[in-house]
Amino acid sequence: QQQVKQSPQSLIVQKGGIPIINCAYENTAFDYFPWYQQFPGKGPALLIAIRPDVSEKKEGRFTISFNKSAKQFSLHIMDSQPGDSATYFCAASRPDYKLSFGAGTTVTVRA
Amino acid sequence: GAVVSQHPSWVICKSGTSVKIECRSLDFQATTMFWYRQFPKQSLMLMATSNEGSKATYEQGVEKDKFLINHASLTLSTLTVTSAHPEDSSFYICSASSSRGAGELFFGEGSRLTVL
Repeated sequence: QQQVKQSPQSLIVQKGGIPIINCAYENTAFDYFPWYQQFPGKGPALLIAIRPDVSEKKEGRFTISFNKSAKQFSLHIMDSQPGDSATYFCAASRPDYKLSFGAGTTVTVRA
Repeated sequence: GAVVSQHPSWVICKSGTSVKIECRSLDFQATTMFWYRQFPKQSLMLMATSNEGSKATYEQGVEKDKFLINHASLTLSTLTVTSAHPEDSSFYICSASSSRGAGELFFGEGSRLTVL
């Protein structure tokens, strides 16, 4: 049972476009919402994370929007570059650090 | 960020043999480490939680006698796949929690296991 639902499964944008990935959860015990970037054959790397008391967080070209009442959060990649082509996973963590991952979104940025 | 190292990064073995994968936190002490399995084009699935000095806690459906986890020190956890079969071929990834960064988990680079 997927505790974190992620969409879309894949998306393609042109260079400079803004891919948007959405995630939703049900478990209100989750208190930490990270996003990971994974390249083929590599482990996931933490991109950006947010806690439920914050509605938006920006780090470089990456922005998380968080809607606590709707139990939804999303990742925006501003001014996307071909090097951003990767699989992105949203996740939600309980206080014991156990992470539940979304299904992943494969992002392709065309030059 | 903190560094988590896995070894080996890839391994090929014959069916029926056992394979050990190491996960080390290089610059911090990790009281808790997690082991995940990832099949091609799928998400990461938590296999077990490893606590230093105590028995690992396995997720439902994961055979604890097949996937032996040892967390002997604050910087090392090992996963041993016993009597491996082709269906155990997967990408195994560990992560470790640090008290820094308000609950961040740091992931290793993963270990690709292929069982022939």
